[in-house]
Amino acid sequence: DTEVTQTPKHLVMGMTNKKSLKCEQHMGHRAMYWYKQKAKKPPELMFVYSYEKLSINESVPSRFSPECPNSSLLNLHLHALQPEDSALYLCASSPGTGIPYEQYFGPGTRLTVT
Amino acid sequence: AQKITQTQPGMFVQEKEAVTLDCTYDTSDQSYGLFWYKQPSSGEMIFLIYQGSYDEQNATEGRYSLNFQKARKSANLVISASQLGDSAMYFCAMREDTNSGYALNFGKGTSLLVTP
Repeated sequence: DTEVTQTPKHLVMGMTNKKSLKCEQHMGHRAMYWYKQKAKKPPELMFVYSYEKLSINESVPSRFSPECPNSSLLNLHLHALQPEDSALYLCASSPGTGIPYEQYFGPGTRLTVT
Repeated sequence: AQKITQTQPGMFVQEKEAVTLDCTYDTSDQSYGLFWYKQPSSGEMIFLIYQGSYDEQNATEGRYSLNFQKARKSANLVISASQLGDSAMYFCAMREDTNSGYALNFGKGTSLLVTP
């Protein structure tokens, strides 16, 4: 099983809503990532979890709150988002965080903030 | 400074022809890794091929090969025998030792369209 799953596939939320994005992998990978991708741009790293601990936070606003409940699951909690946060949110995992480890990406959640 | 440069915003290729997508990179590290990903319109990023900085042979994976020229700091992707399903955005990316291998630095991407 080389699959990373993400739910929901699409999400529309108002600026006062609270919602969560979910990511799951069953490959035994020890590193998981959240990326944000705007249209026609490359993905931008948001967070890295290594062995279920937050390793990297790329100066992401606090309205985005990541959580790693266990080694297979990664959540991104959303609160009081702005319209400019509308984007494709990609989750990825890799066996480790070293140089040669490719990241396996999920299909993404297309988020629209109204 | 731009770490990864992809100079071709868009490319066309006819089905069954080969195509080369350019990628140059900038690093002062001795140890680094170069990756190519494909992103169809559906959004999922699909890993294609990896080249390590110490690898002496060019990486190959099926119809994909990586033309690695270390002195020129280039890592071009060659797709042989293009298929209609190859139409997608292609990203070159690099991982450096100084980043402890965490971050993938992506280029801006090249949009490839394969025509019948």
